[in-house]
Amino acid sequence: DQQVKQNSPSLSVQEGRISILNCDYTNSMFDYFLWYKKYPAEGPTFLISISSIKDKNEDGRFTVFLNKSAKHLSLHIVPSQPGDSAVYFCAASPSQGAQKLVFGQGTRLTINP
Amino acid sequence: SQTIHQWPATLVQPVGSPLSLECTVEGTSNPNLYWYRQAAGRGLQLLFYSVGIGQISSEVPQNLSASRPQDRQFILSSKKLLLSDSGFYLCAWTGGAAPLHFGNGTRLTVT
Repeated sequence: DQQVKQNSPSLSVQEGRISILNCDYTNSMFDYFLWYKKYPAEGPTFLISISSIKDKNEDGRFTVFLNKSAKHLSLHIVPSQPGDSAVYFCAASPSQGAQKLVFGQGTRLTINP
Repeated sequence: SQTIHQWPATLVQPVGSPLSLECTVEGTSNPNLYWYRQAAGRGLQLLFYSVGIGQISSEVPQNLSASRPQDRQFILSSKKLLLSDSGFYLCAWTGGAAPLHFGNGTRLTVT
């Protein structure tokens, strides 16, 4: 049972444009959501998070949007840069202090020059 | 600052051989420790987590085991590897409310 789903395995975007990565979840107990970025042969690095009390969180070029009623979150990157090419994982947890994160399958983002 | 070390970076092992992957964290005490696996084309699957020395929770019944002999040391083991154990193994830690911080991973190929 995949509780966190990233239905697009890959996404290709032109440099300078907006990249939008999507994530859906099924467990209504999830209350805290994160995005991670992963380069090949490296561990994922934390990018940005959002609590369910918010519907938007912004950090520089990265913005995460949360739609609780639709159980959907998205990561917007604008403008997209070549260094953004990586695999992006969304993750969810029942709370910020919860011991476990549930990850999606990942979306490979390629930024074309 | 806190750092996490995971080794080896790559490993090729024959089917039926034992496995031992080690992870250590520096710069913090009493971390929560995790082992995740990323199989080819799949997401990150939680295998084990530990909230203290000797305390191990298993998420997925399988051919692997974990141990935490010291506060900042986490070990992933197997007595006999299967082909299906191939994958990218990641150790991670958190101080509680912080997000997970991952090591650089071990690419395991079972032949």
